[in-house]
Amino acid sequence: GIQVEQSPPDLILQEGANSTLRCNFSDSVNNLQWFHQNPWGQLINLFYIPSGTKQNGRLSATTVATERYSLLYISSSQTTDSGVYFCADDYNTDKLIFGTGTRLQVFP
Amino acid sequence: KAGVTQTPRYLIKTRGQQVTLSCSPISGHRSVSWYQQTPGQGLQFLFEYFSETQRNKGNFPGRFSGRQFSNSRSEMNVSTLELGDSALYLCASSFSDFEAFFGQGTRLTVV
Repeated sequence: GIQVEQSPPDLILQEGANSTLRCNFSDSVNNLQWFHQNPWGQLINLFYIPSGTKQNGRLSATTVATERYSLLYISSSQTTDSGVYFCADDYNTDKLIFGTGTRLQVFP
Repeated sequence: KAGVTQTPRYLIKTRGQQVTLSCSPISGHRSVSWYQQTPGQGLQFLFEYFSETQRNKGNFPGRFSGRQFSNSRSEMNVSTLELGDSALYLCASSFSDFEAFFGQGTRLTVV
């Protein structure tokens, strides 16, 4: 079936470090999104990025649709970046298929 | 602009009871989707409504149902609750099937 693979599953960083999170998709991407789940459970939109590159402050994302993967870059990480990061796509099916997430812990 | 609003935020129910969760989408959004998140299964799609019609349904038993009203607000209902229904239920709204925006979720505990 259609899958979304995220790596790494866990990431531990010291404040100030940079990191790269990756998503691989088993089919052509359509409405790719990156989310950050906060400690209260809400999924916060980071990027809507079916193709190309976008930047928002210390975060940026790149999707290479032809190769079915997307990368999320976090630079100069802060403790507030801790949480779980998800990527998802709907594969043109009206429902989002989520990856299993990357759990990021940033220590001071 | 108000975001997606889910009520209640927390709920404790007993096995066998039923529960109704509510979701108010972002103004102007006509698509509302529901997802269940559990530690073991991750985020799984329940159903999606657009203009009061269910367009897509996930692989959940018939005890899970939903509906959408003419103002795009949506409710989901779970009957005959089981312990395994304990989860975070998330609602998302979108405009024309593009970027989805999520509410804060309802955390359901079945005891």
